[in-house]
This record gives sequence, structure tokens and C-alpha cells, in this order.
Amino acid sequence: ETGVTQSPTHLIKTRGQQVTLRCSSQSGHNTVSWYQQALGQGPQFIFQYYREEENGRGNFPPRFSGLQFPNYSSELDVNALELDDSALYLCASSVTGGNEQFFGPGTRLTVL
Amino acid sequence: KNEVEQSPQNLTAQEGEFITINCSYSVGISALHWLQQHPGGGIVSLFMLSSGKKKHGRLIATINIQEKHSSLHITASHPRDSAVYICAVLRAGNQFYFGTGTSLTVIP
Repeated sequence: ETGVTQSPTHLIKTRGQQVTLRCSSQSGHNTVSWYQQALGQGPQFIFQYYREEENGRGNFPPRFSGLQFPNYSSELDVNALELDDSALYLCASSVTGGNEQFFGPGTRLTVL
Repeated sequence: KNEVEQSPQNLTAQEGEFITINCSYSVGISALHWLQQHPGGGIVSLFMLSSGKKKHGRLIATINIQEKHSSLHITASHPRDSAVYICAVLRAGNQFYFGTGTSLTVIP
């Protein structure tokens, strides 16, 4: 059984650029959630995808968008990067939306 | 005010001590999760609770739905337990709200 994987591990971008982060869910899981964790803070819910449809969204602006593919892998896209977007981005997969979540190792994004 | 509050924020214990981390929440929930995060970011789900108590090895988690409170206990603590412990609640709309975490250091 393959766990949740994320790529890339680290990424450095400059203000105004766009970034795409990727997540492969655990085998058998059809739900992927994305979180942003700023340094010293708890994770903040960005959104969740269930069977390729957005299934809940936190308090993030529209420049944060996502996709889920038929194999249930997912992407998080962030446009017009701002310095405050620097954070650890975590994805987690689950069998359904409310069940136990399995987290990936995260992508650490630095915006300069 | 954060919907999920944890205490203490930081905790240092001697190896072998009994540890309690508390979580209070102010909203209706369908489930509560305890997570462990090690340096470098990796998060592991420890427990998912909707009522009562669960035990796994030296870890025990309890929840009181009426009082909107949960506790995570670690018996016979060990230096490898050193990590950040995060409480997260699941609300309607499949939204998770997280506490800011309790940073635990267990000294040999």
C-alpha cells in the first residue's frame, strides 16, 4: 500500500509567480484535502476534493485553486504569489471526507 | 478567537512522566482528531474520536462532547514522544479546524 506523496519537497518562488503543488493519495482513498501551515501555527484548511469535485473550502482567496484527477491525485495551484504564502503545504487523503486522514510529508514553499 | 484551543502550548517532561494535553473547542463537531507532527513537517493521525475514549499503546484519548473538551494522555513518556501534538475538529462541510499545537519535549 503506497502512502500519500507530495512533490516537490521544497520550492522557492518570487512574488507574483504561480506555483503548482502535487499530491498522490493513498491507494483506495477518493478524498484529498489541502492545508496551509505557516511557521509556528496549526494547519489551515484550504479546500477538499471528493471524486473530482470541490467538496468544501476554507477562508482562502480564489487565487488558491485545485484539481482532482480520475486517479484521485490532486493539484493545488496558487496564482500571484504573495510573501505570506510562504508555508508548508500539506495534503491528506481519506476514504471519505470525514474519516481518518493520512497526511503527506508536505511541500515547503518559500516566496521571496 | 480560535475555534480550537490547546493547552499547554509548550511542555517539557522527564522520561517516564505521565503527560496530559488538553483541547477545547467552541463549535459543533462531528469528530475530533489528534495528530502528531515531527520536525520537518510529517503528520501522523493518532486518533479519531466522536465519543468516549480510545487507547493505543501508551496513548489514550478522551472526549467529552457536552463540555466540548478532549484530552490526550501519554503514559511512561519517552524521548521519542517529543513532537508537536495537534488537535483538529471536523465540522459540517467537511472542514477541519486545527489548534496551534502543543510542543512536547521529553528529556532522558
